[in-house]
Amino acid sequence: GQQVMQIPQYQHVQEGEDFTTYCNSSTTLSNIQWYKQRPGGHPVFLIQLVKSGEVKKQKRLTFQFGEAKKNSSLHITATQTTDVGTYFCARRSGNTGKLIFGQGTTLQVKP
Amino acid sequence: DADVTQTPRNRITKTGKRIMLECSQTKGHDRMYWYRQDPGLGLRLIYYSFDVKDINKGEISDGYSVSRQAQAKFSLSLESAIPNQTALYFCATSDNSPEQFFGPGTRLTVL
Repeated sequence: GQQVMQIPQYQHVQEGEDFTTYCNSSTTLSNIQWYKQRPGGHPVFLIQLVKSGEVKKQKRLTFQFGEAKKNSSLHITATQTTDVGTYFCARRSGNTGKLIFGQGTTLQVKP
Repeated sequence: DADVTQTPRNRITKTGKRIMLECSQTKGHDRMYWYRQDPGLGLRLIYYSFDVKDINKGEISDGYSVSRQAQAKFSLSLESAIPNQTALYFCATSDNSPEQFFGPGTRLTVL
């Protein structure tokens, strides 16, 4: 199937530093979603992007969808310990709603 | 979310045993999904269903079967469990909107 590749797999940062995770596809995406999974928890929907070049912000989180709709990024400004977890991108099939996930980026934040 | 529940939450079983994981939802959603999560691989879709008469295979359906007993209930069965089915299993639901709602997960260990 059409996979989405996500990097890095792990990221350790000092509290207050910024963090970015990247999601890439070899084919054009109709949309990209982002989920957050806290340690021991389940994935929770953050956002969906659908437009070329789209940028959306949620407090300290900034989500971007590339102009060619083949890549996306999630940037966290001034990380906090509450940001710890694994962040997944996923593409959604419009007809079925099924999700194809990236491998995830696990963020650790040192206080 | 408490709206999507999974039982059991943890299960240890032996190779060759039959096991059933259950998922129930009170969100009134038509669409239900089963995913498995393995470290470094993200979440992969096993089966999905649009209603009680509709069952579809996902990326990795071999060795699994499902039953949609009612709109609110979607069960995943391992007919003869094997050790490489050791994983974290998530049920999810959605309607026609982008967001999927995940249950708390079932951690399955096959010895």
